Amino acid sequence: AQKVTQAQTEISVVEKEDVTLDCVYETRDTTYYLFWYKQPPSGELVFLIRRNSFDEQNEISGRYSWNFQKSTSSFNFTITASQVVDSAVYFCALSERNFGNEKLTFGTGTRLTIIP
Amino acid sequence: DTEVTQTPKHLVMGMTNKKSLKCEQHMGHRAMYWYKQKAKKPPELMFVYSYEKLSINESVPSRFSPECPNSSLLNLHLHALQPEDSALYLCASSQGTAPYNSPLHFGNGTRLTVT
Repeated sequence: AQKVTQAQTEISVVEKEDVTLDCVYETRDTTYYLFWYKQPPSGELVFLIRRNSFDEQNEISGRYSWNFQKSTSSFNFTITASQVVDSAVYFCALSERNFGNEKLTFGTGTRLTIIP
Repeated sequence: DTEVTQTPKHLVMGMTNKKSLKCEQHMGHRAMYWYKQKAKKPPELMFVYSYEKLSINESVPSRFSPECPNSSLLNLHLHALQPEDSALYLCASSQGTAPYNSPLHFGNGTRLTVT
């Protein structure tokens, strides 16, 4: 069965510091997708990134970057020069190709607080 | 602003009430979802509709009844709820008919309190 572990329950950093959110996953499938979602206090989950299992290239989008390493089953998320608006709960998620029963498995989330 | 609209934003209901949550999207997405989220927990899948047909029911109690009148609308009918059903109810949609490779687009949620 698929599983996503976000060991960091809460993280607090001072504004402008860099911060990395860890995500470790388990799957028996060779074809799968990994996602990161952000949930600000307003409630909606905002899609940040999708990565398929065959693409191990790291990705950078502005202050956000993602490091996907299949060898360690990790998909970590780094925010550079953090800002107060980055304060939110961040969820890592995994979906496998399981025809007719595809589901998205979320990790337990990391609550990130940026201190001004 | 989110492209998935949920109403109402807040709902307080008694255990004998009947109420409905509504969700609307106009992105042409073919799959729609209901999730339940308790405080400090990840979202839990309840139902999935693909092409307006119920494709996944995660063994949700019958006091929750989903309905998909058309490809843009998703309702969740509530009846005889329990206080432990108090949670944030999130609607989502996706372009693909499975969350396998399509990102989910979420609404702001309805915060439900059962008294």
